[in-house]
Amino acid sequence: EAGVTQFPSHSVIEKGQTVTLRCDPISGHDNLYWYRRVMGKEIKFLLHFVKESKQDESGMPNNRFLAERTGGTYSTLKVQPAELEDSGVYFCASSQQLSGANVLTFGAGSRLTVL
Amino acid sequence: AQSVAQPEDQVNVAEGNPLTVKCTYSVSGNPYLFWYVQYPNRGLQFLLKYITGDNLVKGSYGFEAEFNKSQTSFHLKKPSALVSDSALYFCAVRDMDGGATNKLIFGTGTLLAVQP
Repeated sequence: EAGVTQFPSHSVIEKGQTVTLRCDPISGHDNLYWYRRVMGKEIKFLLHFVKESKQDESGMPNNRFLAERTGGTYSTLKVQPAELEDSGVYFCASSQQLSGANVLTFGAGSRLTVL
Repeated sequence: AQSVAQPEDQVNVAEGNPLTVKCTYSVSGNPYLFWYVQYPNRGLQFLLKYITGDNLVKGSYGFEAEFNKSQTSFHLKKPSALVSDSALYFCAVRDMDGGATNKLIFGTGTLLAVQP
């Protein structure tokens, strides 16, 4: 089966611009997660979708970040306007079931550089 | 607060020697523990997990990890390192206070460098 696909792999933008990251989860996976790793630090949870509904968005840094999952398939994460501290690698993950023992399948990540 | 600590930013080991990547955790209740690996320009790949049962868990690529409840540790090990094991390793624990989200709390990662 195809894995989790993220696009773009790398984006370089200037402070104040807008960037949209996209994630295509594994087909049939209702659970979709966004995580972020700022350079050298831990990978932090941003939010969780169950199908098209936001189950938990407690990790979203502020209202400059907007995540959507229209139709319960792919998801987008928009940063508007971008700030320098938004630079990092944004990971998307998906899982079929919502079990504590369930393994998340991650994408390769989208590296965001804000200049 | 729940957390995961990986005390070593980098671990250097010679090929053929045993390797250990350390991880300690702090959670409420019984932990669900995971190890993921990130190879250059690749996504996070699942290596192994501990949920319950035998404290020694075997995973992909010859890796294993030992759950030690008294020391709240889950160190990753391999008897004989390969140059191809060089990568960034992340330890994670399920957030037990996270409700129905099943989100993970990650450590800061440990870079493993295996010299030929």
